[in-house]
Amino acid sequence: EAQVTQNPRYLITVTGKKLTVTCSQNMNHEYMSWYRQDPGLGLRQIYYSMNVEVTDKGDVPEGYKVSRKEKRNFPLILESPSPNQTSLYFCASSRTLLAGGYNTGELFFGEGSRLTVL
Amino acid sequence: EDKVVQSPLSLVVHEGDTVTLNCSYEVTNFRSLLWYKQEKKAPTFLFMLTSSGIEKKSGRLSSILDKKELFSILNITATQTGDSAVYLCATNNAGNNRKLIWGLGTSLAVNP
Repeated sequence: EAQVTQNPRYLITVTGKKLTVTCSQNMNHEYMSWYRQDPGLGLRQIYYSMNVEVTDKGDVPEGYKVSRKEKRNFPLILESPSPNQTSLYFCASSRTLLAGGYNTGELFFGEGSRLTVL
Repeated sequence: EDKVVQSPLSLVVHEGDTVTLNCSYEVTNFRSLLWYKQEKKAPTFLFMLTSSGIEKKSGRLSSILDKKELFSILNITATQTGDSAVYLCATNNAGNNRKLIWGLGTSLAVNP
């Protein structure tokens, strides 16, 4: 079954304790992205990756890191979480068109990770 | 600045009603417009509309794109309680094709 898998699905942690949210897709997609979703603010992109070893900042990258060492995995790292990073996080992937690497826009989302930072 | 605006923000209807959700956009180098449905979990893809495909239909859902007036509508006929969800609209900018520009969504509640 084609899917994007995130872990953990729910996490409560404390300020400053490093954490990693994993994301894995089995569709051989080149493009992967992390979003956070907050009430009244909608979906905001944190980081994205066009392919292995190619990552770039989205709209709200502060306080986050990513890596793309393998095509299927795109972990999100919070080095020193703070309460304003309490949010619902989504990982998503899509294929890219061959010419120019355009993201097709047809994103496949993971189930979401609800993170609370106390 | 590129932006996507959806209206209404929320909507409550009865089963069997027909609803129209709106999405207007201001995007440089428009490439495509996408509709997603989000129930209690992850958004799921519904439609993609481009210059070469300005009308899409799937069952009771249909969507059109008006590139001249810069808007799209999502139509749901004979609504069912299972249609209750947040409907998200997003555009794909050819000038910055690595990201989508999202609206805030329309929350639809269908009452029995």
